Amino acid sequence: DGGITQSPKYLFRKEGQNVTLSCEQNLNHDAMYWYRQDPGQGLRLIYYSQIVNDFQKGDIAEGYSVSREKKESFPLTVTSAQKNPTAFYLCASSTPRGAGANVLTFGAGSRLTVL
Amino acid sequence: GQQLNQSPQSMFIQEGEDVSMNCTSSSIFNTWLWYKQDPGEGPVLLIALYKAGELTSNGRLTAQFGITRKDSFLNISASIPSDVGIYFCAGQLGNTDKLIFGTGTRLQVFP
Repeated sequence: DGGITQSPKYLFRKEGQNVTLSCEQNLNHDAMYWYRQDPGQGLRLIYYSQIVNDFQKGDIAEGYSVSREKKESFPLTVTSAQKNPTAFYLCASSTPRGAGANVLTFGAGSRLTVL
Repeated sequence: GQQLNQSPQSMFIQEGEDVSMNCTSSSIFNTWLWYKQDPGEGPVLLIALYKAGELTSNGRLTAQFGITRKDSFLNISASIPSDVGIYFCAGQLGNTDKLIFGTGTRLQVFP
């Protein structure tokens, strides 16, 4: 079955460490996204990529970095510069813009806790 | 960044009751999407709406794209325990590919 796989599901990090969250999709989608979810808030866009080797900052990109070397993969690095990294991180993908919206398919999420 | 106004924030209902939630904005949207998120999981698409005035059903769920293109609602009829979760609306702004998400409605269903 096609889908999006995020790993790890749970991750603990000490302050000052960088961590990388994996996101892989086999849906043949061109666009991929990273969102951050905090309690009581909607999903906030961190970074997105519409094609390989290209990506754009979202609304809260500071302290994060991404790469898009392959169509299937869009890893997110949470750097030590991110002041409040404890959150639930969601990866999503979609087909290019056409009739209707970019309907997002989400992964199961990764919960990062900074100790 | 922008967010949609979604209400209510939370609902506590008894099994069998109907539920209604809505999203509003001052901006015009081309598309409205409704997602459900189970605890500790990613959101799953419930209904997609593409035209103003469109009314679409998916089982016990019904959603409408407001005529003004600035709002949308989701109704759940005859709620059951597995309806528990967080429901998000998302709208695509008219001149962008970007999706804007609502703050979510947390639904609890008691037997």
